[in-house]
Amino acid sequence: KAGVTQTPRYLIKTRGQQVTLSCSPISGHRSVSWYQQTPGQGLQFLFEYFSETQRNKGNFPGRFSGRQFSNSRSEMNVSTLELGDSALYLCASSPQKGQGAHNEQFFGPGTRLTVL
Amino acid sequence: SQKIEQNSEALNIQEGKTATLTCNYTNYSPAYLQWYRQDPGRGPVFLLLIRENEKEKRKERLKVTFDTTLKQSLFHITASQPADSATYLCALHTGGFKTIFGAGTRLFVKA
Repeated sequence: KAGVTQTPRYLIKTRGQQVTLSCSPISGHRSVSWYQQTPGQGLQFLFEYFSETQRNKGNFPGRFSGRQFSNSRSEMNVSTLELGDSALYLCASSPQKGQGAHNEQFFGPGTRLTVL
Repeated sequence: SQKIEQNSEALNIQEGKTATLTCNYTNYSPAYLQWYRQDPGRGPVFLLLIRENEKEKRKERLKVTFDTTLKQSLFHITASQPADSATYLCALHTGGFKTIFGAGTRLFVKA
């Protein structure tokens, strides 16, 4: 099976702009989670989607949003970019079938976002 | 407040020795705990999962223990090799479809 893919791999934006990142999960995986990784804060949970529904959200401002499509592909959007949004954004998919199920996550290579 | 702490930012050991990494948590009651490996510029890779009713799990040279009383997990790599050098992350599944990661421990194995 192909792994999790994320596009683009690298992105440079300026403050105030918006950005959309894309994630294609492993075939058959219906759960997709997004994380922000920075040297200072580590891996921070953004949100999780399952069957097009957001089931949980981390402590990020409303400028961060996401969605999932019927084919399980997911996008996240950051509006009004700030310098502090510079980070590696990671997407992970899981074969999770229910809340108590095995929840191993398969990560993509990430999108490196730089905000100037 | 809820917190996950991994023992140190970096751990240096000699090839062939056992590396032991620690993950402590407070104010969580995780159903299970996971360990991941992350190499520079790459996404984390799943290594092991241990459930709250399991004391120990092994996979090849890796061993994980989980003590829900101490709120601690230990991750061991036996007969370590330079190729084991990476950052190791512990992660808790807190319920509600949310996974919380520790900051990670960078392991350096010297030949």
